[in-house]
Amino acid sequence: ETGVTQSPTHLIKTRGQQVTLRCSSQSGHNTVSWYQQALGQGPQFIFQYYREEENGRGNFPPRFSGLQFPNYSSELNVNALELDDSALYLCASSSGLAGDQETQYFGPGTRLLVL
Amino acid sequence: AQSVTQLGSHVSVSEGALVLLRCNYSSSVPPYLFWYVQYPNQGLQLLLKYTSAATLVKGINGFEAEFKKSETSFHLTKPSAHMSDAAEYFCAVSDRGGYNKLIFGAGTRLAVHP
Repeated sequence: ETGVTQSPTHLIKTRGQQVTLRCSSQSGHNTVSWYQQALGQGPQFIFQYYREEENGRGNFPPRFSGLQFPNYSSELNVNALELDDSALYLCASSSGLAGDQETQYFGPGTRLLVL
Repeated sequence: AQSVTQLGSHVSVSEGALVLLRCNYSSSVPPYLFWYVQYPNQGLQLLLKYTSAATLVKGINGFEAEFKKSETSFHLTKPSAHMSDAAEYFCAVSDRGGYNKLIFGAGTRLAVHP
């Protein structure tokens, strides 16, 4: 069984640029959530996709957007990058069967540095 | 709204000593609670979760946590620390908004000394 994978592992961008991060969910999972983990902090929920539709969103501006594809892989896009966007971006997948008590399985993350 | 507080950003123990990592939650409904571990340069791995079936929850790697409603706590313990337990530990509560959003604490970094 393949776990959650993310690409790239590291990325350096400059302020104002755009970035796309990718996530492949665990086999059999149809739900993908994205989290931002700033240095020294806990992860913060960005949004979740369920069967290709946005299913919930955290307190992040519209320049954070996403997609989920028919194979349930997902992308996180961030436009007009700001220095504060520097963080570890984590993707998590789940089966969508157990609601709020469901376990989310996390990928290794993409570390983004904005200069 | 649900929230989580982890007391102590850094905890240091000797190998073989008891590990106690503290987590208090705030929730207006019966909570679902999780403990995750993050090793350096890795994602989060689930240690255990509480979903109201039993107040004492056993997880992987010898960890367990006890849900205490009267104290609004879900502390993580391990009887004997091992060097490999050195990592960052996060307590999280499910938002209960219907779409499985996790709200994390700030984390506790555990150091284990020989």
